[in-house]
Amino acid sequence: EDQVTQSPEALRLQEGESSSLNCSYTVSGLRGLFWYRQDPGKGPEFLFTLYSAGEEKEKERLKATLTKKESFLHITAPKPEDSATYLCAVQESSDYKLSFGAGTTVTVRA
Amino acid sequence: SAVISQKPSRDICQRGTSLTIQCQVDSQVTMMFWYRQQPGQSLTLIATANQGSEATYESGFVIDKFPISRPNLTFSTLTVSNMSPEDSSIYLCSVELGGRSTDTQYFGPGTRLTVL
Repeated sequence: EDQVTQSPEALRLQEGESSSLNCSYTVSGLRGLFWYRQDPGKGPEFLFTLYSAGEEKEKERLKATLTKKESFLHITAPKPEDSATYLCAVQESSDYKLSFGAGTTVTVRA
Repeated sequence: SAVISQKPSRDICQRGTSLTIQCQVDSQVTMMFWYRQQPGQSLTLIATANQGSEATYESGFVIDKFPISRPNLTFSTLTVSNMSPEDSSIYLCSVELGGRSTDTQYFGPGTRLTVL
């Protein structure tokens, strides 16, 4: 069974204070690793898909990286509008199902 | 991406009743999914709904409790039957887009259900 573990559970940052979120996973074969952002009361918003170890993707202040066992979401010089819960999900090569981690709730103070 | 809408956006229901949630997509998609997000928790897949076939349910979810319809390539419904307070959750539909071997799932805004 797929396992996805995100850390930390919560992260409080000062505006401009860069940090990283971790997503470690255990799958028999990875089809893809996905990062989503979820604001309170809303559905998850797609951010990135990573397919293979060594891959990196960037979007504004966010950068996602992937190794064989984990992924990192780096937030560079965050702003208050980056406050949200960030969800990591994996898709096994034999299935379309997404297995989600519990998420990291990021709060950025001005 | 796709524009996905859900109805209702929220509802408060009495135990023992049923609620049908609708999911509409602005483009034709083969695969649609229904997830549940319990308070303070992450997302759990309920079932996969492909047009023209029976829905496939995940362990712990059964058709009698969560019947699903998928009448065409842009629409699906999820019914939460004989509700209890434990069914209070956010219910989300998602669709898979892309056309490559690994496709991205996009989510609707969710339906917040409270059962009294």
